[in-house]
Amino acid sequence: DAKTTQPNSMESNEEEPVHLPCNHSTISGTDYIHWYRQLPSQGPEYVIHGLTSNVNNRMASLAIAEDRKSSTLILHRATLRDAAVYYCILRDVPNGQNFVFGPGTRLSVLP
Amino acid sequence: DAGVIQSPRHEVTEMGQEVTLRCKPISGHNSLFWYRQTMMRGLELLIYFNNNVPIDDSGMPEDRFSAKMPNASFSTLKIQPSEPRDSAVYFCASSSAPLNTEAFFGQGTRLTVV
Repeated sequence: DAKTTQPNSMESNEEEPVHLPCNHSTISGTDYIHWYRQLPSQGPEYVIHGLTSNVNNRMASLAIAEDRKSSTLILHRATLRDAAVYYCILRDVPNGQNFVFGPGTRLSVLP
Repeated sequence: DAGVIQSPRHEVTEMGQEVTLRCKPISGHNSLFWYRQTMMRGLELLIYFNNNVPIDDSGMPEDRFSAKMPNASFSTLKIQPSEPRDSAVYFCASSSAPLNTEAFFGQGTRLTVV
């Protein structure tokens, strides 16, 4: 399985933008980049995903490097409710649903 | 839709007993995943099903663990016999084709084996 590397933890101030990086240097051409987050005492929830182009939705933006070896999840204005563990995952469509979580990045949001 | 439903939410059992965890995926979803989460090992993928067929069970820790999906609306994860090291939160998730879509997770079952 292609692997991802994320910082263990990050800190942000409330109402400021947050950029969460992810490295995936061994990504293949068919891997989709997915981001999930897990709030305390809850199951993971979907945030965003993309293949090559940058993506925006109501929760966040996903910026994908031109060579696809890294990506950045952008929270435009962090709130206290965004404090969670954020996971960057590669999903390989043709070969099945390898949907494997790494340790993720624990985001703390300071008031 | 009520989302992915797991039961029970909490389970406390004695070592050696059989434990069955249940999952009802979202209607229409054709893929189902079972995960285990602990502080030490994080989120581990145990097994996943596609169209009720187990595709990859390489994450199942040992023969004491088994999973079934008798129909599209129900799956079970069974541990027999249970051991204290099986204590964890077990999550079920489901998603629909195509494969590049989001997966939805249940609230989890917190299992404690004493």
